[in-house]
Amino acid sequence: DTEVTQTPKHLVMGMTNKKSLKCEQHMGHRAMYWYKQKAKKPPELMFVYSYEKLSINESVPSRFSPECPNSSLLNLHLHALQPEDSALYLCASSQARTGSHNEQFFGPGTRLTVL
Amino acid sequence: SQKIEQNSEALNIQEGKTATLTCNYTNYSPAYLQWYRQDPGRGPVFLLLIRENEKEKRKERLKVTFDTTLKQSLFHITASQPADSATYLCALDSNDYKLSFGAGTTVTVRA
Repeated sequence: DTEVTQTPKHLVMGMTNKKSLKCEQHMGHRAMYWYKQKAKKPPELMFVYSYEKLSINESVPSRFSPECPNSSLLNLHLHALQPEDSALYLCASSQARTGSHNEQFFGPGTRLTVL
Repeated sequence: SQKIEQNSEALNIQEGKTATLTCNYTNYSPAYLQWYRQDPGRGPVFLLLIRENEKEKRKERLKVTFDTTLKQSLFHITASQPADSATYLCALDSNDYKLSFGAGTTVTVRA
């Protein structure tokens, strides 16, 4: 299985809602990533988990809370978001080679709209 | 500050021709450079990776070059087809899990 799956595909939420995005991979990858992508812009890294531990947080606001329950799953919990947080949220996974290259496998993304 | 530039936002070419995309960077010392393809509303798909000590890499109709002196990578699609129409992203890989993406070049291949 060489796929990264993400649910839901689309999500509309109000500014007071709490919701979660889910990501799953079964490639045995031990690094998992969350990216945010706005229209016509490149993906921007938000978080990196390596061996189920948070290793990089790119100064993301606390209204985004990542969680890695096991080596195959990655969640992004959302609370009190702002309309400017509307974007495509991408999950990716890779091998966790230290000091070497790690090509990333991306999921199809969750299109989030905050009203 | 670090900067990655892909030469043009859009490239329109005739089917059968070669598309050449450029990725320039400043204030980086990447160990690797990666190229991805992204279709509208979808996640990027990994295409090719080239190491800093490699000059050229090929995969089917794709060719990538990497010149660390010029701080530039060129990405070629030969014998282009309408199915090659997509946005192509270069990404600098510095061995630390972080990929720094360029803004992308949208290629449209006309039949």
